[in-house]
Amino acid sequence: GQQLNQSPQSMFIQEGEDVSMNCTSSSIFNTWLWYKQDPGEGPVLLIALYKAGELTSNGRLTAQFGITRKDSFLNISASIPSDVGIYFCAGQAHQAGTALIFGKGTTLSVSS
Amino acid sequence: DGGITQSPKYLFRKEGQNVTLSCEQNLNHDAMYWYRQDPGQGLRLIYYSQIVNDFQKGDIAEGYSVSREKKESFPLTVTSAQKNPTAFYLCASSIDRESYGYTFGSGTRLTVV
Repeated sequence: GQQLNQSPQSMFIQEGEDVSMNCTSSSIFNTWLWYKQDPGEGPVLLIALYKAGELTSNGRLTAQFGITRKDSFLNISASIPSDVGIYFCAGQAHQAGTALIFGKGTTLSVSS
Repeated sequence: DGGITQSPKYLFRKEGQNVTLSCEQNLNHDAMYWYRQDPGQGLRLIYYSQIVNDFQKGDIAEGYSVSREKKESFPLTVTSAQKNPTAFYLCASSIDRESYGYTFGSGTRLTVV
């Protein structure tokens, strides 16, 4: 099946630093979403993007839907310890009604 | 409160046994999904159902089976044909087939010994 290329695989940062991660695809996506997963739990939706070029913020999080519709990035500003977790990008590539495809995740560690 | 309930949280089975993972939602969502998560592999789609009595195979359906007899329930059976069943299994739902704001359950960790 189709996969998204998500990078970096892991990040180790200091509290207060900004973080950036991205996802790319070989085909056009109609929808991009970013999820966060805490250990032993299910992912929780952070931001949803539905239009090429769209830039959306949710508190300290900002995400963009790439103009080419083949990529998206997520930025976290002024990181705090509770930002620790796995961040997944997800997208819908085909006709409406197909399930989301997920990236392999970026594991974020924050030291205080 | 509405949500998705997966049970049990931890499950141990002997090799060669079938096992069924429960997923129940009270969100009145039409669509439901099963994903498998392995370390470093992200979430891979096993099966999904867009409406009662209908479901489609995902990318890794071999060795798994599902049913969707009720809107609220989407159980997943891991059969003995699944070669490497030990994993974290996540169930999700969405309002309808065109909504991508999935709500996930808290997962079931299956260990086959």
